[in-house]
Amino acid sequence: EPEVTQTPSHQVTQMGQEVILRCVPISNHLYFYWYRQILGQKVEFLVSFYNNEISEKSEIFDDQFSVERPDGSNFTLKIRSTKLEDSAMYFCASALEGLNEKLFFGSGTQLSVL
Amino acid sequence: TQLLEQSPQFLSIQEGENLTVYCNSSSVFSSLQWYRQEPGEGPVLLVTVVTGGEVKKLKRLTFQFGDARKDSSLHITAAQPGDTGLYLCAGGYSGYALNFGKGTSLLVTP
Repeated sequence: EPEVTQTPSHQVTQMGQEVILRCVPISNHLYFYWYRQILGQKVEFLVSFYNNEISEKSEIFDDQFSVERPDGSNFTLKIRSTKLEDSAMYFCASALEGLNEKLFFGSGTQLSVL
Repeated sequence: TQLLEQSPQFLSIQEGENLTVYCNSSSVFSSLQWYRQEPGEGPVLLVTVVTGGEVKKLKRLTFQFGDARKDSSLHITAAQPGDTGLYLCAGGYSGYALNFGKGTSLLVTP
């Protein structure tokens, strides 16, 4: 069964450093998402992406965050200058059809900012 | 952001028991989804309900969407240890991304 893959599975970085989290969505999907989950808290929406542009973003997704689909397969989340509170599990998800259709989630990248 | 309240937060039961978990909001949703998440993994979709009063069954799991489309329940019959996990509900508005509840953490012991 096709799946969303995320790399790396774990990322440790120093505060203030830039990180790029990578995702390969399911190949024929058109809608892409980043969510995050701080330990013990709920899954929070960050951003949705469709047709090579951001379709929606949350308050969390400030100027320190950016997303890119540099080629036909990858979907990346960049955090420009990490803060301690960015430590979380970051999930990429994709969907074939419109917003709120069946989302397929990756296994996540655990980001630890020291 | 529309708040989704899930209850109970934690539930520990014996194998073979039945259980119901709830997802409530003051907002009306165009759709509501239930996911199960296991430690270290991403959420996996179980079901989507879109019509008020809708009931869907997935083997021993029964999902119901409230008539007013503000709440939902998940009932598990004869729970098994393999049902252990975090059950998340997520509400959707047309054109907007899903908003998740905090989840119900279920432990089923043999």
